[in-house]
Amino acid sequence: ETGVTQTPRHLVMGMTNKKSLKCEQHLGHNAMYWYKQSAKKPLELMFVYSLEERVENNSVPSRFSPECPNSSHLFLHLHTLQPEDSALYLCASSQVHADTQYFGPGTRLTVL
Amino acid sequence: AQSVAQPEDQVKVAEGNPLTVKCTYSVSGNPYLFWYVQYPNRGLQFLLKYITGDNLVKGSYGFEAEFNKSQTSFHLKKPSALVSDSALYFCAVRDMKGAGNNRKLIWGLGTSLAVNP
Repeated sequence: ETGVTQTPRHLVMGMTNKKSLKCEQHLGHNAMYWYKQSAKKPLELMFVYSLEERVENNSVPSRFSPECPNSSHLFLHLHTLQPEDSALYLCASSQVHADTQYFGPGTRLTVL
Repeated sequence: AQSVAQPEDQVKVAEGNPLTVKCTYSVSGNPYLFWYVQYPNRGLQFLLKYITGDNLVKGSYGFEAEFNKSQTSFHLKKPSALVSDSALYFCAVRDMKGAGNNRKLIWGLGTSLAVNP
């Protein structure tokens, strides 16, 4: 699990706040992912970065803004969130074209 | 449409007994199939995958899964369950449309496994 780290592990924010989630991978991978995990729903893929370029954006609202400054780091910038955005946000990484993804522990986000 | 079903929300077994967590899938073409486990307050951990070859795949922590093409199933099994196996288990299938990292994983809803001492 130390291969992919996420900070913070827990975050409580109001709807007008701006915050950022951080992910770092120490596995030498070159693809990174953001997922949203909500109770009773399948894991939702939000964004994919491959070789630091965004290759996937699954109709995610603009209040979520990803950033991938290099192959080891991934951010998710949050602003003007809604209570229904409360969930566990998971970061994952893999080699490009590889099938196995490695996940971080997640950030538990609560929007008040 | 590609889909994955885990028909049981919860599976309960006694420690030492064999366990099975079920997964069925619907894909066009040959499937790439995965099992992941999520312990409380942790991210998902890769257990095993089937790409091609032997239908019985062995993975981490003594788990194995059997690919059955005719039944479109990929059930996860372990001969003797441990209390520490209690966790949430996810089956996933690779969407083979597109190329490279555009080929998304399609996830089941998860099955909660409870192993009683």
